[in-house]
Amino acid sequence: DGGITQSPKYLFRKEGQNVTLSCEQNLNHDAMYWYRQDPGQGLRLIYYSQIVNDFQKGDIAEGYSVSREKKESFPLTVTSAQKNPTAFYLCASSIAATGDAYEQYFGPGTRLTVT
Amino acid sequence: LAKTTQPISMDSYEGQEVNITCSHNNIATNDYITWYQQFPSQGPRFIIQGYKTKVTNEVASLFIPADRKSSTLSLPRVSLSDTAVYYCLVGSGTGGFKTIFGAGTRLFVKA
Repeated sequence: DGGITQSPKYLFRKEGQNVTLSCEQNLNHDAMYWYRQDPGQGLRLIYYSQIVNDFQKGDIAEGYSVSREKKESFPLTVTSAQKNPTAFYLCASSIAATGDAYEQYFGPGTRLTVT
Repeated sequence: LAKTTQPISMDSYEGQEVNITCSHNNIATNDYITWYQQFPSQGPRFIIQGYKTKVTNEVASLFIPADRKSSTLSLPRVSLSDTAVYYCLVGSGTGGFKTIFGAGTRLFVKA
């Protein structure tokens, strides 16, 4: 059964702590993405990766870090430098297209609360 | 990436056809138009994608005029379960891995 998994579904942390959100896909997709969604808002791109061992900053990368050591995995670390980390975090993947449009497949999300 | 403009919200009743229009005046030649649906506390789900004219699948239809500066997502005979946020995206795979999700259109379907 192919898809994207994110864990945990809910995560609580104290301010000042780093926290890592997991994202795994078995779709054999080259591209993976991390988005942040605040209440009533659209999705904002944090980081994306087109291929293993490569990733690019999105629109709101400050205070976040990622790694892409394996094709299947794209973990996101929310560092203590992120001023407003409480949000709904979504991971997605897509086939690395070359000229054609692409469809992104999303995971179920992780709701992070930092107090 | 081309910016899109959609209505913030729409209301409908069960059984009606709903049309959501998206404006994308600076769409590029290589850009496709893609629509996603999102339920609360879930990730968005792909609905339909098109380049020009009309595309239809089992869920919706997408109408794109010749100038491609706008597009209309048509949901036939909506039900309460179609209450969701609908996002219109414009972009292509070539250098277009960065996807911009705007605020979307909140559709409320009433009984």
